[in-house]
Amino acid sequence: QLQLQESGPGLVKPSETLSLTCTVSGGSTSSSSHYWGWIRQPPGKGLEWIGSIYYSGSTYYNPSLKSRVTISVDTSKNQISLKLSSVTAADTAVYYCASTPVTVTVFSLHQIEYYFDYWGQGTLVTVSS
Amino acid sequence: QSALTQPRSVSGSPGQSVTISCTGTSTDVGDYNYVSWYQQHPGKAPKLMIYDVSKRPSGVPDRFSGSKSGNTASLTISGLQAEDEADYYCCSYAGSYTFGVFGGGTKLTVL
Repeated sequence: QLQLQESGPGLVKPSETLSLTCTVSGGSTSSSSHYWGWIRQPPGKGLEWIGSIYYSGSTYYNPSLKSRVTISVDTSKNQISLKLSSVTAADTAVYYCASTPVTVTVFSLHQIEYYFDYWGQGTLVTVSS
Repeated sequence: QSALTQPRSVSGSPGQSVTISCTGTSTDVGDYNYVSWYQQHPGKAPKLMIYDVSKRPSGVPDRFSGSKSGNTASLTISGLQAEDEADYYCCSYAGSYTFGVFGGGTKLTVL
């Protein structure tokens, strides 16, 4: 059973870079079994996919955030990280770490199953001076 | 404005059935069978309830079912129970490795 745990500063100043870490347990970020990603939810609002990364380093981002987002994986620590630059109050949200399963076919094709099966508990990040 | 459109709220009495709709376009819901649904209780993380339009993960009651017709997906909850009261979000793959676009969420009230 995968478990994901987010960590990082709860308060970030406008124009600075938001940095969060997700620690994975019960599984390995060096496995081909999952993509590892970030999803956020502003207070009282809906969910927004930010981006996802594979053990190989293959990374995909939400086009609306792509210019400000970097997601990386540290397989030695079994962690993924999120960096969001030039933040504003609109980036205030609960940030979730979430996994997306990957099926490796008999032809060694890596088929992404586009849903989010495991989620962390989330961490609130407030952007304010 | 969310990419997928859901009703803001629905309600039903215990034992009844409710259906939540999720309307997208021909480039997301209408083009892929990668629709998923998530249940979120207040202050908690979302929980996967349905994936690939109509499949249920292990442990999700069979009272929850999903379907799709054209650009609209639906989540039906039968035999409503008090613990089903929560927010529900639909999500669809939108092509070009955009893993998911979400609906704005529907608040289910069990009367």
